[in-house]
Amino acid sequence: EVQLVQSGAEVKKPGESLRISCKVSGYSFTSHWISWVRQVPGKGPEWLGRIDPIDSYINYSPSFQGHVTFSVDKSVSTAYLHLSSLQASDTAVYYCARHRPTAQTGPYYDYWGRGTLVTVSS
Amino acid sequence: QMTQSPPSLSASEGDRVTITCRTSQSIGTKLNWYQQKAGEAPKALIFGASSLHSGVPSRFSGSGSGTDFTLTISSLQPEDFATYYCQQTYFDISFGPGTRVDV
Repeated sequence: EVQLVQSGAEVKKPGESLRISCKVSGYSFTSHWISWVRQVPGKGPEWLGRIDPIDSYINYSPSFQGHVTFSVDKSVSTAYLHLSSLQASDTAVYYCARHRPTAQTGPYYDYWGRGTLVTVSS
Repeated sequence: QMTQSPPSLSASEGDRVTITCRTSQSIGTKLNWYQQKAGEAPKALIFGASSLHSGVPSRFSGSGSGTDFTLTISSLQPEDFATYYCQQTYFDISFGPGTRVDV
């Protein structure tokens, strides 16, 4: 069974940093890209970017480049999202999602983590 | 830019529901649809504009290409009350603002 298990909820103060983990199981970690998506309560999802676990090739969303960093540890089949200089506006649920490639119509996300709620408050 | 209409709609069990997604530039058929219920992660429904993700009931269907896309639920079931998002994967990746379907 494919699973993406994310780390637990976090409460941070403005200016602090944070790392969220996404541990995958049930498939070969290096065979699928992982995307990170955030969702502010009551709003639609926003794409932060994606990482290819096989070589750590990364695409960042221009909207979030410089504010987020992705990494992977293949030895434990885990992807990481690093957030720096947190602000109240970073309060959101952060998801990891697995890319399912298709022949001609681009990827889609066939499995998602349950999400990690990040609250930034002084 | 992606838009969805309507932003919300009220419907009853058994209704036929249609949600529209429009993009500002042509994206071919690189358009996916997701369903999200409160407190849960989104779930894949449709990929490539019209292909049904594994395990998704056949009452869901998608159509369109270029800039105009449609998600149709042929006969709304109680478990279908949720928010629906389109996603394009042609220019990086982005999501529409969502359509909430409630009673």
